[in-house]
Amino acid sequence: ETGVTQTPRHLVMGMTNKKSLKCEQHLGHNAMYWYKQSAKKPLELMFVYSLEERVENNSVPSRFSPECPNSSHLFLHLHTLQPEDSALYLCASSQGPGNTIYFGEGSWLTVV
Amino acid sequence: KQEVTQIPAALSVPEGENLVLNCSFTDSAIYNLQWFRQDPGKGLTSLLLIQSSQREQTSGRLNASLDKSSGRSTLYIAASQPGDSATYLCAVRGYNNFGNEKLTFGTGTRLTIIP
Repeated sequence: ETGVTQTPRHLVMGMTNKKSLKCEQHLGHNAMYWYKQSAKKPLELMFVYSLEERVENNSVPSRFSPECPNSSHLFLHLHTLQPEDSALYLCASSQGPGNTIYFGEGSWLTVV
Repeated sequence: KQEVTQIPAALSVPEGENLVLNCSFTDSAIYNLQWFRQDPGKGLTSLLLIQSSQREQTSGRLNASLDKSSGRSTLYIAASQPGDSATYLCAVRGYNNFGNEKLTFGTGTRLTIIP
């Protein structure tokens, strides 16, 4: 139990589907993150939310749409994805800048 | 642009040996550095966070050192065990041009401890 829970753990979707990844943190943190991990590449930061406000959007295609309804929940809405979007999507949280960052178990996404 | 390198990409050692994992970074203007382990198919588990003003941090059999001026960190694992087999990632924390925190990761070292 890491304190950061992601669902679903595995997702297979077609290129025309719409799906969402969900993340919930039980640590009382005020910052939440989405990262993408592809094979043989470093983790790529996608989005950062601090106090429910998006503070960073790292040139992520619009087919990925984040939502942070409150400081404990973070969603990643997916639509019209491409096969190259298949990866492990990791959610993380921290108690603001400079503090230890805690990751969830990740959601394995396969786009067919 | 910060770049983080971890060499070697993979390492196998017999159980019981002490070992050192390396991490180097190109921009020494960092706030802190964090070491993680990642088991296959799983998320990242934080191991140690070392502030830029610190030289080392210890947790159990793990010791992380930081030499900011030379852009290097090492993770020392004493008396290795098969359960230590995992991929070890380092990440440096800095700030981008907009003053936002930025965590840059290496690609990791895949460690295998041979029983």
